[in-house]
Amino acid sequence: GAVVSQHPSWVICKSGTSVKIECRSLDFQATTMFWYRQFPKQSLMLMATSNEGSKATYEQGVEKDKFLINHASLTLSTLTVTSAHPEDSSFYICSAGQGISGEQYFGPGTRLTVT
Amino acid sequence: QKEVEQNSGPLSVPEGAIASLNCTYSDRVSQSFFWYRQYSGKSPELIMSIYSNGDKEDGRFTAQLNKASQYVSLLIRDSQPSDSATYLCAVRDTGGFKTIFGAGTRLFVKA
Repeated sequence: GAVVSQHPSWVICKSGTSVKIECRSLDFQATTMFWYRQFPKQSLMLMATSNEGSKATYEQGVEKDKFLINHASLTLSTLTVTSAHPEDSSFYICSAGQGISGEQYFGPGTRLTVT
Repeated sequence: QKEVEQNSGPLSVPEGAIASLNCTYSDRVSQSFFWYRQYSGKSPELIMSIYSNGDKEDGRFTAQLNKASQYVSLLIRDSQPSDSATYLCAVRDTGGFKTIFGAGTRLFVKA
């Protein structure tokens, strides 16, 4: 149980284009999903908390107009990187919370390269 | 600013030894604590959760929690080369539904 998928697993796009990443909880309903970014050899950085049916809560320093998050259902959240630039190249990971214990289950991640 | 502190390592142990990973946290009222394992290039994987003081064992892993000292640790018995990874300590923020992660400790198990 507690499986989270992400799609795509990797993507290469040109500077100035937008990229959408999907995160799905496959065998449970997740009222809350989290989006992280991780640069090589660095720690996880929480970007935003996504709640089903409401606006996402962004961490300080994360541009909400650049990183659009939609949590349309209890099993799907999407992150759209708009007008991507090479500095947005990173490993983007989503996670979903199950229950009230606080345990999070991570998707396999999406490696974004902007050329 | 609530924090979770870990020694970045690397921690190197020989195969078969016990690896001891430590973590301290600043939020005195935290109730939920987690250990994640992250292999290079992969996403984190939950390996242990602990909610009350004392020890919790699961196979070769033992999590230890001391809320009075704001300290949580992970012991890995009979360490294997496949245990080589970065281990992330995480603490649930009691002020919300957010989990705060430490920067991780890199563990190398030498064959």
